[in-house]
Amino acid sequence: AQKITQTQPGMFVQEKEAVTLDCTYDTSDPSYGLFWYKQPSSGEMIFLIYQGSYDQQNATEGRYSLNFQKARKSANLVISASQLGDSAMYFCAMREVNTNAGKSTFGDGTTLTVKP
Amino acid sequence: EPEVTQTPSHQVTQMGQEVILRCVPISNHLYFYWYRQILGQKVEFLVSFYNNEISEKSEIFDDQFSVERPDGSNFTLKIRSTKLEDSAMYFCASSEAMSGDLFGEQYFGPGTRLTVT
Repeated sequence: AQKITQTQPGMFVQEKEAVTLDCTYDTSDPSYGLFWYKQPSSGEMIFLIYQGSYDQQNATEGRYSLNFQKARKSANLVISASQLGDSAMYFCAMREVNTNAGKSTFGDGTTLTVKP
Repeated sequence: EPEVTQTPSHQVTQMGQEVILRCVPISNHLYFYWYRQILGQKVEFLVSFYNNEISEKSEIFDDQFSVERPDGSNFTLKIRSTKLEDSAMYFCASSEAMSGDLFGEQYFGPGTRLTVT
């Protein structure tokens, strides 16, 4: 079974609007972290935001927030006030502490295009 | 801000040749990883390394692959006899810890694009 599922291969958003990128995960490890990365066309992986499984509050980093719904096993990324520079591939990833030596498991990614 | 560095940024090699991809993790980090991303596909885990030994490896990481930390700063991935299907972006990553309150970001390097012809 897929550990990380990103169901939106591509998303479009108008500049200055908010957009939500979906991510669901599957794990039996009670201790895990969820991460979002941005990959622009240049190829590097840029860390955006992190949510720990024991965190009570949703993580926020500037224009990025993570809508963490533990019971639903979802960790959606919300980008507010989209900018043209946000156009990129976005990956959701999970690290399980007790079962997988801290490796990251990635979803298939969502390509976000911001329209002017 | 500390960063993971990788060299070279792009490597072109002929099928059957050996390649060594180099990484310098962040200096106080203890956990090191290699991932690869075939063009247009997801990022896949290859191997994790801690305390001078492999802690986990994926099915991709067969006998053609090896990792080494030859000194206190470098972390290398060697592919003994490259195949066409090894063409991909290879990312090195490091993290300070993986459990408890320190469980946090895994820092990725900029990647090495390997092209096997």
